[in-house]
Amino acid sequence: GAVVSQHPSWVICKSGTSVKIECRSLDFQATTMFWYRQFPKQSLMLMATSNEGSKATYEQGVEKDKFLINHASLTLSTLTVTSAHPEDSSFYICSARPLRDRHPYEQYFGPGTRLTVT
Amino acid sequence: DAKTTQPPSMDCAEGRAANLPCNHSTISGNEYVYWYRQIHSQGPQYIIHGLKNNETNEMASLIITEDRKSSTLILPHATLRDTAVYYCIVREQGAQKLVFGQGTRLTINP
Repeated sequence: GAVVSQHPSWVICKSGTSVKIECRSLDFQATTMFWYRQFPKQSLMLMATSNEGSKATYEQGVEKDKFLINHASLTLSTLTVTSAHPEDSSFYICSARPLRDRHPYEQYFGPGTRLTVT
Repeated sequence: DAKTTQPPSMDCAEGRAANLPCNHSTISGNEYVYWYRQIHSQGPQYIIHGLKNNETNEMASLIITEDRKSSTLILPHATLRDTAVYYCIVREQGAQKLVFGQGTRLTINP
């Protein structure tokens, strides 16, 4: 099956610093990648949709200047949390939609990155 | 907003069939029903999807009522590794987003 990786799997950073999270589709090309955030005991919340070669589309209430998304190639999207604060501590999950769908509009999810801001 | 309603939690004995219900009374004709699950601290995993007909794969079966207002995910022989949060999602054909509701936390007991 299709594999999506994320790096790092976990990260601890100090308040005010920036953190970059990578999302890679390992064995397929993805024109579209999605970034989700999940707080403890809550469901996944879509943050933004990332299309290769164009600007990301952010969901309402998500600050685009704080959560910078770059989808530079068909296999890589990055999420940078700028000037991180403790309230940004969360589980960040990406997903990728294959260029050639194996199933109609199926998405494959990465394993997630746990961010802790101290 | 999620268009589905699921019980917040369910328990099932190991080896038994786990039947997870989902209500989607406002589903439209071109919306598919998708099921994903999320094991603790992992990314969601695709299970199955369907439009009108019942579907079966190596993981589960999906039973959709004739009026399509509800569906049931069936794990035929649940194991401890099936303990997870199960999400039922409806999505319009052509739409990219997956909108997650609260899901059902399924616990498989030995």
